[in-house]
Amino acid sequence: EAGVAQSPRYKIIEKRQSVAFWCNPISGHATLYWYQQILGQGPKLLIQFQNNGVVDDSQLPKDRFSAERLKGVDSTLKIQPAKLEDSAVYLCASSFNPGTSKTYGYTFGSGTRLTVV
Amino acid sequence: AQKITQTQPGMFVQEKEAVTLDCTYDTSDQSYGLFWYKQPSSGEMIFLIYQGSYDEQNATEGRYSLNFQKARKSANLVISASQLGDSAMYFCAMRPGGNEKLTFGTGTRLTIIP
Repeated sequence: EAGVAQSPRYKIIEKRQSVAFWCNPISGHATLYWYQQILGQGPKLLIQFQNNGVVDDSQLPKDRFSAERLKGVDSTLKIQPAKLEDSAVYLCASSFNPGTSKTYGYTFGSGTRLTVV
Repeated sequence: AQKITQTQPGMFVQEKEAVTLDCTYDTSDQSYGLFWYKQPSSGEMIFLIYQGSYDEQNATEGRYSLNFQKARKSANLVISASQLGDSAMYFCAMRPGGNEKLTFGTGTRLTIIP
C-alpha cells in the first residue's frame, strides 16, 4: 500500500513570499490533516478535512494560511505572505473512519521542511 | 481540552538496555486512545503502539510495550533491548473519543550509546 505522499521535501523562501505544499493521502482515507511542527515541539494540528469539507481549522492562522481539498483526495496548504515564525516541518496525515482498526489507520507523510529567511 | 506531558527532553541509554519514556495526559473524556510515535532525523512519524482507554491489557508490539496506568493518567513507553536504530525523537499523542485528531506532547530525544 502506498503511503501518504508530500512534496516538496524542502523549501527555502524569503519572508513575505508565498509557498504551497501538496499532499496525496492513502487511497480510501476520508480524513486528511495538516500539522505544523516547529523545531523542538510536537506537531500541532492546523486543519482537518473530512472528504472535501473542513472539520476543524481552529488553529489555522487564516490571515495567511489557506488549505483546500478538492474532490476529497489531494490537498494543498498555502502560506501567503510567509513570516519567519512559519519555519517548521509541515506534516500531512490521513486516516479512515472507525472500522475494524482502533488506530483508524492513521498515517503520516514524510513532511515538508520550510525555512523562511 | 486534552494535554500531553512528556517531562524528559532527552535520554541516553546503553545499547541492549531497556528504557522507559514517560507520558502523562489530561482529559475529561472517558473514551480516548493513546499513541506513541517515533520520529527519526528523516522527519517521518512512525507509528509504534496504541492503547485504548477501555483496553484491559497493556499493549505490546514486539520490543515496545505500553505501561498504561489509567488512574494515574500515565502511558509510558517501554523499549526492551534497545538498539542503535532506536535513536530518535519519541512522541506520545492522544486521540479523544469520537474524534480523529491527535494532540501531541513535546517529545523525548532518545540516544542509544554503543
